[in-house]
Amino acid sequence: ETGVTQSPTHLIKTRGQQVTLRCSSQSGHNTVSWYQQALGQGPQFIFQYYREEENGRGNFPPRFSGLQFPNYSSELNVNALELDDSALYLCASSWNPRGTEAFFGQGTRLTVV
Amino acid sequence: DAKTTQPTSMDCAEGRAANLPCNHSTISGNEYVYWYRQIHSQGPQYIIHGLKNNETNEMASLIITEDRKSSTLILPHATLRDTAVYYCIAGAYNTDKLIFGTGTRLQVFP
Repeated sequence: ETGVTQSPTHLIKTRGQQVTLRCSSQSGHNTVSWYQQALGQGPQFIFQYYREEENGRGNFPPRFSGLQFPNYSSELNVNALELDDSALYLCASSWNPRGTEAFFGQGTRLTVV
Repeated sequence: DAKTTQPTSMDCAEGRAANLPCNHSTISGNEYVYWYRQIHSQGPQYIIHGLKNNETNEMASLIITEDRKSSTLILPHATLRDTAVYYCIAGAYNTDKLIFGTGTRLQVFP
């Protein structure tokens, strides 16, 4: 149990729709990172938020966007959903922007049909 | 970040030591070696990290070769609950992201 909670746990959306995923970081952590994990693959870095600002981004298109709130919780938004967006979306929190000792949530399983 | 190479899968008998190798021959001087594991249907879990020296914590030991081109994660007494995918990651301490490969699927059997 890491103290990082994600909601919802499962979600089914139709191609072209928009989706918002939510993450509550562990108490005391000010950094949230989002990862996409396709079936059978390792997690791929989407972006990171530190003190409400984007602090790094992976190779994902602009239709993947995010927010971090003053309480350090975060949202991942994906517009114009495509079938290939079907994946497990993981949120990780840490106490600084460094990648060490990131604590992951259980993930949101998104299925796009 | 340096690329890492790991075996696709390994087996280990319960109670025995599990030794998971990782090759990171292009690692640079400021890059650490991190290990995470992912038990089925859960998020990755941090295990250990190191730069040059061997490290040990309550979960595992990390042995890094002197030339830093490879390392081994050791679970001293594997249990069935250690069955998971283990990821070896090489990255700078101040990196903003973790670069995961496909990892090693460790199966611990009774």
